[in-house]
Amino acid sequence: NAGVMQNPRHLVRRRGQEARLRCSPMKGHSHVYWYRQLPEEGLKFMVYLQKENIIDESGMPKERFSAEFPKEGPSILRIQQVVRGDSAAYFCASSAQTGGTEAFFGQGTRLTVV
Amino acid sequence: GDSVTQMEGPVTLSEEAFLTINCTYTATGYPSLFWYVQYPGEGLQLLLKATKADDKGSNKGFEATYRKETTSFHLEKGSVQVSDSAVYFCALSDLYGGSQGNLIFGKGTKLSVKP
Repeated sequence: NAGVMQNPRHLVRRRGQEARLRCSPMKGHSHVYWYRQLPEEGLKFMVYLQKENIIDESGMPKERFSAEFPKEGPSILRIQQVVRGDSAAYFCASSAQTGGTEAFFGQGTRLTVV
Repeated sequence: GDSVTQMEGPVTLSEEAFLTINCTYTATGYPSLFWYVQYPGEGLQLLLKATKADDKGSNKGFEATYRKETTSFHLEKGSVQVSDSAVYFCALSDLYGGSQGNLIFGKGTKLSVKP
């Protein structure tokens, strides 16, 4: 029973490059959440998606960041023209329903911008 | 808006000591409350949860009770082990308070247990 799969685990990008982070939810889960964890901080919500729809992107920076969850394939978090401040761990979580049900987390992608 | 405040760490204990990590919350609606644990280099794992007032969540010797009157969800364990060393996050999900079910986290408390 595969859990939430994120890849790559580690990603190094130079300033100005693009970063693509992938998340495959657990089987049967149609709700995907992306969070960002800065060093020594808790996780901050970025975006909530269901298949082919962005439900809530209130935590997403207005520029350079985008997310999608296509009908087929993983959810993608895309960061264009990365800057040093984007260096963080990005976690994806999936759930079968919204609200008080358990969300299962992936192991995260650690992005380093050099 | 909704928020979670948990005690700052790091917390260092000896093996078999009693653990309490305080967590209080502010919420508009009727949130569900969670404790997650993060081991070094790993993602978050759900430790326990409670969905309504006076519920007690428990798992692996850890317990937390949803106290609406004090808006608290303190984590306790009677006898910690070295393997409990990790970062612990308190979180809430306030579906009826306007969010879409996303989790709001505290900053985390790092626990180190010495043999």
